[in-house]
Amino acid sequence: AQSVTQPDIHITVSEGASLELRCNYSYGATPYLFWYVQSPGQGLQLLLKYFSGDTLVQGIKGFEAEFKRSQSSFNLRKPSVHWSDAAEYFCAVGAGLWNSGNTPLVFGKGTRLSVIA
Amino acid sequence: DAGVIQSPRHEVTEMGQEVTLRCKPISGHNSLFWYRQTMMRGLELLIYFNNNVPIDDSGMPEDRFSAKMPNASFSTLKIQPSEPRDSAVYFCASSLRVSSNSYNEQFFGPGTRLTVL
Repeated sequence: AQSVTQPDIHITVSEGASLELRCNYSYGATPYLFWYVQSPGQGLQLLLKYFSGDTLVQGIKGFEAEFKRSQSSFNLRKPSVHWSDAAEYFCAVGAGLWNSGNTPLVFGKGTRLSVIA
Repeated sequence: DAGVIQSPRHEVTEMGQEVTLRCKPISGHNSLFWYRQTMMRGLELLIYFNNNVPIDDSGMPEDRFSAKMPNASFSTLKIQPSEPRDSAVYFCASSLRVSSNSYNEQFFGPGTRLTVL
């Protein structure tokens, strides 16, 4: 079965510092990978996605992620964090049969990001 | 364009009462997903539909939960009778399924925060 691990429950960074949030997945075929962000009391907003092709994907708000098949990882990065980036970040993998089109997402438990001045 | 619409945004009810959560997917989308978010278990799939047909309801916790999609623009998730352990945030998401070889992102609604006393 598919699974996603986000090893860091909570990370605190200083404003302006770089950020890397870790994500490891377990999936037998080529995965569809996503990063979502959730602000307090809000829904989930898609930051970026990887379907195929270039393993370094760019997203909104200055985020990027790199797919590394050999490490089964899809880590999220940002070179300079802003106070407004404080939120919960979820990594997810598209589950189900590889040839069944849209399928449900399997989410990691999330990483809460705090930003200090 | 309006995104995924969920109602109510907040629901407080007493144990044993019937609760109905509603979702309007993005117009033209043909896949709809219900997820539940709790502190203990994170984000989990409850059920999803393709073209109004339930495909996988293995995530529905028990018979007290039921979901319907009578048409392409409306879905309900019903809990009867409700219990305190059902307290959670319930998200609806929709996507456009084009073919079995494609994958499109899911768009999430703002969620319904359910509290069962």
